[in-house]
Amino acid sequence: DAMVIQNPRYQVTQFGKPVTLSCSQTLNHNVMYWYQQKSSQAPKLLFHYYDKDFNNEADTPDNFQSRRPNTSFCFLDIRSPGLGDAAMYLCATSRSSPGLVNNEQFFGPGTRLTVL
Amino acid sequence: EDQVTQSPEALRLQEGESSSLNCSYTVSGLRGLFWYRQDPGKGPEFLFTLYSAGEEKEKERLKATLTKKESFLHITAPKPEDSATYLCAGNQAGTALIFGKGTTLSVSS
Repeated sequence: DAMVIQNPRYQVTQFGKPVTLSCSQTLNHNVMYWYQQKSSQAPKLLFHYYDKDFNNEADTPDNFQSRRPNTSFCFLDIRSPGLGDAAMYLCATSRSSPGLVNNEQFFGPGTRLTVL
Repeated sequence: EDQVTQSPEALRLQEGESSSLNCSYTVSGLRGLFWYRQDPGKGPEFLFTLYSAGEEKEKERLKATLTKKESFLHITAPKPEDSATYLCAGNQAGTALIFGKGTTLSVSS
């Protein structure tokens, strides 16, 4: 089945220790997204790629970076995690850009990040 | 400011007790209204997209409708397995999805 895969499902890191979260997709979608979701809150978009074109949300902290080496993979790097960065990180994909037809987003299962 | 507001925040139903969840939006130039289901500790699962007022879509016990100001997710004769958080999101051209905070539905047998 075509899907969005995230690894690891659970990640524990120490305060200030860099961490990388991984996302891969078999849907062959052009657009990939990273969201942060804290408990009982709506998902918050951090950034998205249309192909290799990177789009950063204005309020995404510089501590968060992303890489998309090819169509299938996208990485979220947190350079110096703080306690406030503990959250569920969701990867999503869509066939087309936001606001266009066929732009439904399909989400992976998420990575739960704990910062000690 | 563009917003998506969902109500109620939480809803408890008995099995078989039909009800509706509300999503009101003030998103200028709306290009799509999306409904997702999210189970605890998992990513959102896509349910429906609605593009224009008057549009309706159905899937099993769920039916989504759209007006110019709001969307409803109607749940007919719910079962315990329908318990989840239901998220609504609006989309403008060229921008990110604007999510509501969700309605957490609990269905007891």
